[in-house]
Amino acid sequence: QKEVEQNSGPLSVPEGAIASLNCTYSDRGSQSFFWYRQYSGKSPELIMFIYSNGDKEDGRFTAQLNKASQYVSLLIRDSQPSDSATYLCAVNKSQGGSEKLVFGKGTKLTVNP
Amino acid sequence: DVKVTQSSRYLVKRTGEKVFLECVQDMDHENMFWYRQDPGLGLRLIYFSYDVKMKEKGDIPEGYSVSREKKERFSLILESASTNQTSMYLCASSFRTYNEQFFGPGTRLTVL
Repeated sequence: QKEVEQNSGPLSVPEGAIASLNCTYSDRGSQSFFWYRQYSGKSPELIMFIYSNGDKEDGRFTAQLNKASQYVSLLIRDSQPSDSATYLCAVNKSQGGSEKLVFGKGTKLTVNP
Repeated sequence: DVKVTQSSRYLVKRTGEKVFLECVQDMDHENMFWYRQDPGLGLRLIYFSYDVKMKEKGDIPEGYSVSREKKERFSLILESASTNQTSMYLCASSFRTYNEQFFGPGTRLTVL
């Protein structure tokens, strides 16, 4: 099983719809979860982080975490064409006394006007 | 706001050249990271550093070395550039290793 897995997409939604992006992870010890947005040719930009089970809302974005199912998701409400980007899920991993973030390969989202 | 800067946005080098990529952060972060990003392969960690003069290998350290002489600065060195090192190189920093990472704008390196 891959450490962090995301559907590569592309995911296409109409403007105004809800976009749902999903991520599963393999390390049960992971405690920190992040969503990044990356526009084509640009570097990743942090959107949200979540540490506790449940939902965390920030504007049009909601992160959902279920540690029992090892699942984290990002919902984007009222999707806009400017949301079209690749979304990266990242999860912390402890390894040999140090910690790092492991990134999924990303899901490409297209919001159609 | 955290600011992470990288020395070049675009760089073209020849096979066999020694290449230096520099990264500077202004938020007194303990941890700094170098990644490369390639289509279909995602972000791959090359090296990271959790303190001055400290470094740890990431997932793909072969062909690379790093230097961290000052807290704010983390350099990636390609000792003898090869064409398979053509890639987007991204630097990031974080306060703690389990915290969010902030990325620089990236350097697109082409090795001819």
